[in-house]
Amino acid sequence: DARVTQTPRHKVTEMGQEVTMRCQPILGHNTVFWYRQTMMQGLELLAYFRNRAPLDDSGMPKDRFSAEMPDATLATLKIQPSEPRDSAVYFCASAPIRTGEETDTQYFGPGTRLTVL
Amino acid sequence: AQKVTQAQTEISVVEKEDVTLDCVYETRDTTYYLFWYKQPPSGELVFLIRRNSFDEQNEISGRYSWNFQKSTSSFNFTITASQVVDSAVYFCALRINAGNNRKLIWGLGTSLAVNP
Repeated sequence: DARVTQTPRHKVTEMGQEVTMRCQPILGHNTVFWYRQTMMQGLELLAYFRNRAPLDDSGMPKDRFSAEMPDATLATLKIQPSEPRDSAVYFCASAPIRTGEETDTQYFGPGTRLTVL
Repeated sequence: AQKVTQAQTEISVVEKEDVTLDCVYETRDTTYYLFWYKQPPSGELVFLIRRNSFDEQNEISGRYSWNFQKSTSSFNFTITASQVVDSAVYFCALRINAGNNRKLIWGLGTSLAVNP
């Protein structure tokens, strides 16, 4: 049963520290999404990649957030420096999107719960 | 502009009751896709169903059923004979067919509590 994996599951850090979250998409999925979920804002799309290239990162605060896909099996989301308002659950999702096909269901990982003190 | 509204913030039912979760969407596109996801207390978002705008047939999967009505822009989700394990937050989402755009427009979710 293929699943998206995310590490760490929980992270507590102090304001100003760098935070790196990692995601391993389902093997064969070529599109990766990063979401943030808070009680106030709900689910927000931060960025997404197709074939490791960023397609849209308009939802991401550029000054402190960065997202990359060093290879097809790893996506990273970094926050530097972190702030208390970044406290949220960060989800990664992957999808097997192919040109001409619309079967683009997103499959989610378990999330990283980030607390910035 | 695209938008998804889940007017019911919280619903509480007693086990074995039927419950319907409402989802109303807005889009000017003629081709679009609708999704339902479940988020149980464990936190992971679980895909339930995807429906494209050309397929208005209702769908049934066990105790779950979905009623898609383009005339009212609604894609409602019914759980029959609810169980405690159905307790979760349920999200409805919309995607338009726009080239490489694969963004989902999410509703704010409906929190369902099924009590024994």
